[in-house]
Amino acid sequence: GAGVSQTPSNKVTEKGKYVELRCDPISGHTALYWYRQSLGQGPEFLIYFQGTGAADDSGLPNDRFFAVRPEGSVSTLKIQRTERGDSAVYLCASSLRSAVDTQYFGPGTRLTVL
Amino acid sequence: KNEVEQSPQNLTAQEGEFITINCSYSVGISALHWLQQHPGGGIVSLFMLSSGKKKHGRLIATINIQEKHSSLHITASHPRDSAVYICAVRPNSNYQLIWGAGTKLIIKP
Repeated sequence: GAGVSQTPSNKVTEKGKYVELRCDPISGHTALYWYRQSLGQGPEFLIYFQGTGAADDSGLPNDRFFAVRPEGSVSTLKIQRTERGDSAVYLCASSLRSAVDTQYFGPGTRLTVL
Repeated sequence: KNEVEQSPQNLTAQEGEFITINCSYSVGISALHWLQQHPGGGIVSLFMLSSGKKKHGRLIATINIQEKHSSLHITASHPRDSAVYICAVRPNSNYQLIWGAGTKLIIKP
């Protein structure tokens, strides 16, 4: 595709539910990043994939958060037992080879936990 | 003290004015990014630079590695430039970007 896409664009869920957020990076980009942006704050790093493997998952806030990228392209961020504090815009970015390359951002998924 | 600081936090200007947004950082970096975020919109990467100066249209970004400082300039500003401009640095030590808090720019017609 022409750019990074994310689905859904909006997700409203109830506290305690499980959600999956999807990211389609730019074709051929091997590096993929997930960020979270709460209202009025800058993005917060969550996880960085190089190919299929998570090169750095130190930003995941706790074990309710998990991300996969099984074939080295599409990635899914999974949140279990959602809490109201998880409400944020979840941003995905990709870059051609590694973190030294420009990151291209998707439009984000706005998650609201009621 | 934040590792990346931007100034000003908010900036309102008239159409046509020359705009400068500053970014100072305290860590050793391999690259600095300037990004743009429109209200309700996604983030767009404007520049990634590690030295010198880059220009794209009416946007100019400069960086001084010795002084750990970067500036983003907008010439002949236009209301459509209204957005939040974010500075982010990639430290030498890891992959993560360290983000500034952003500068909210409003250009009035």
